[in-house]
Amino acid sequence: DSGVTQTPKHLITATGQRVTLRCSPRSGDLSVYWYQQSLDQGLQFLIQYYNGEERAKGNILERFSAQQFPDLHSELNLSSLELGDSALYFCASSVVRGRGGYTFGSGTRLTVV
Amino acid sequence: ELKVEQNPLFLSMQEGKNYTIYCNYSTTSDRLYWYRQDPGKSLESLFVLLSNGAVKQEGRLMASLDTKARLSTLHITAAVHDLSATYFCAVDPARRDDKIIFGKGTRLHILP
Repeated sequence: DSGVTQTPKHLITATGQRVTLRCSPRSGDLSVYWYQQSLDQGLQFLIQYYNGEERAKGNILERFSAQQFPDLHSELNLSSLELGDSALYFCASSVVRGRGGYTFGSGTRLTVV
Repeated sequence: ELKVEQNPLFLSMQEGKNYTIYCNYSTTSDRLYWYRQDPGKSLESLFVLLSNGAVKQEGRLMASLDTKARLSTLHITAAVHDLSATYFCAVDPARRDDKIIFGKGTRLHILP
């Protein structure tokens, strides 16, 4: 157990629907990062939060949004889902702005049918 | 913008052989990380390299960092099937946005 908790582990949903992925960072970590990994693809950075504030944005679609709450957990909202959104979504957390590297959660496997 | 390039991206090798994965990056950095990912699984931290000349070893894997050449290597000694995985390097550019940059990963397939 890495200390980063992601729920749910698996999600199957239909096109056009909306889902919410949840991440609880490791205790003491203030930064949360979201990544998308499609089949045979590398890690695509989506967005970063630091202590409740958005810090950096990557290749995140407008249909996707995220937030980090006061208790530091984060949620990634995916709406108007398309088949191409099927992927593994990882959350990672870090101490002090990523300088110690990231700890990854186990991921959420999203399948859009 | 910082670029991190790994090569090769795919490597198939026989058990017992030695090989090296290379990670080149385009800007100054003194921190580099190596991760392992098994198919469908999460990324697991392997090594954290924090200074020029740093060398870390764990079992059959050894990682090194040359900040002047902007190069890190992951050397596999006498490969075994259990080392089959995808290996990612990631570089910390120490920018204000604090985001580390990942390479595309090297998929390593070790044939028994």
